[in-house]
Amino acid sequence: GQQLNQSPQSMFIQEGEDVSMNCTSSSIFNTWLWYKQDPGEGPVLLIALYKAGELTSNGRLTAQFGITRKDSFLNISASIPSDVGIYFCAGQGGATNKLIFGTGTLLAVQP
Amino acid sequence: DAGITQSPRHKVTETGTPVTLRCHQTENHRYMYWYRQDPGHGLRLIHYSYGVKDTDKGEVSDGYSVSRSKTEDFLLTLESATSSQTSVYFCAITSGLRGTDTQYFGPGTRLTVL
Repeated sequence: GQQLNQSPQSMFIQEGEDVSMNCTSSSIFNTWLWYKQDPGEGPVLLIALYKAGELTSNGRLTAQFGITRKDSFLNISASIPSDVGIYFCAGQGGATNKLIFGTGTLLAVQP
Repeated sequence: DAGITQSPRHKVTETGTPVTLRCHQTENHRYMYWYRQDPGHGLRLIHYSYGVKDTDKGEVSDGYSVSRSKTEDFLLTLESATSSQTSVYFCAITSGLRGTDTQYFGPGTRLTVL
């Protein structure tokens, strides 16, 4: 099945560092979503993007919907230990309008 | 919190037995979804529903069936469980009236098939 290319697969950083991760696709999407998943929990929506070029912030998180509609990135500034988790991108659109998920980025933050 | 609960939260079963997972929502959402999550694959759609008795297949529907006899409940059934169906299963809903609206997820069910 179709999947998004999400990178990096994992990141191990020090508290206070900034983080950047991205997703790319061969298909155009109408919506990009970013989720965070904690161990033993379901994914929780962080940011939703609905227009090409859109830049949206949620606290220390910033995400952008790429101009080509085939990519998106998520930045986390000044990371803290509770940012630990797996971050997923998801794109929606195309013929089926179903949600397609990236394979996730595991973030570990060293205090 | 989108008012989604899943039951059971954990289940261990044997190959060949039938298993039913339940997703329950309290906010009258029209669209409901079942995903499975496996390492290296992210979340993959199994089946979804766009109304009572209206369901359709996702990308990994083989070996699974679903039913939705009332708005608040969406059931996922493994008729004869196999070890390849060991996974974490998530239910999701969309908050709006369209299937294109943002999806919110339940807490998950961890299923182990021995």
